[in-house]
Amino acid sequence: NAGVTQTPKFRILKIGQSMTLQCTQDMNHNYMYWYRQDPGMGLKLIYYSVGAGITDKGEVPNGYNVSRSTTEDFPLRLELAAPSQTSVYFCASSYSIGQPQHFGDGTRLSIL
Amino acid sequence: RKEVEQDPGPFNVPEGATVAFNCTYSNSASQSFFWYRQDCRKEPKLLMSVYSSGNEDGRFTAQLNRASQYISLLIRDSKLSDSATYLCVVNGGGNTPLVFGKGTRLSVIA
Repeated sequence: NAGVTQTPKFRILKIGQSMTLQCTQDMNHNYMYWYRQDPGMGLKLIYYSVGAGITDKGEVPNGYNVSRSTTEDFPLRLELAAPSQTSVYFCASSYSIGQPQHFGDGTRLSIL
Repeated sequence: RKEVEQDPGPFNVPEGATVAFNCTYSNSASQSFFWYRQDCRKEPKLLMSVYSSGNEDGRFTAQLNRASQYISLLIRDSKLSDSATYLCVVNGGGNTPLVFGKGTRLSVIA
């Protein structure tokens, strides 16, 4: 099983550009999550989804958008990249809200 | 009070030592508890779940104290490969996502 797959692994953006971070999982999990982790800091929840068509804000949603059209995919969109969004982004999924989350190996994003 | 609190460390211990981390949580309705491990520049990975009666997995022992609202992780006979950040994770209660602590950094020294 591939588990949770994130693409791209690395990206450099210019201020004001937009991009979509892709996340797909093959475990048939209903729940999916996006986190960001700044250097030396903890995980911060950006958005999460409890199933196709349903998304909800986490702790730090500003500057990001998500959609969930299928069970497998949960893309994260940055519309107007800002230097403060330089971070490592992790996607995760879980069978239910209280079950362990399985993480992708992250996307390292730099905005210059 | 923060939802999940951990001592950030670092804990610097020699190989073969026993080390313990504690984590406190604020939501008395929390039902699920986990320890994750995160290596430098890598994704968090589930180390073990924490059960009410306490549980052991090889050199690792996890315990839950509901009355005092803390969980603990004990690592015996530390190895160099145990060097990592250990994240305490607690469910937020109701239908809210898991809450991750900021982690405790462990360095095992030869």
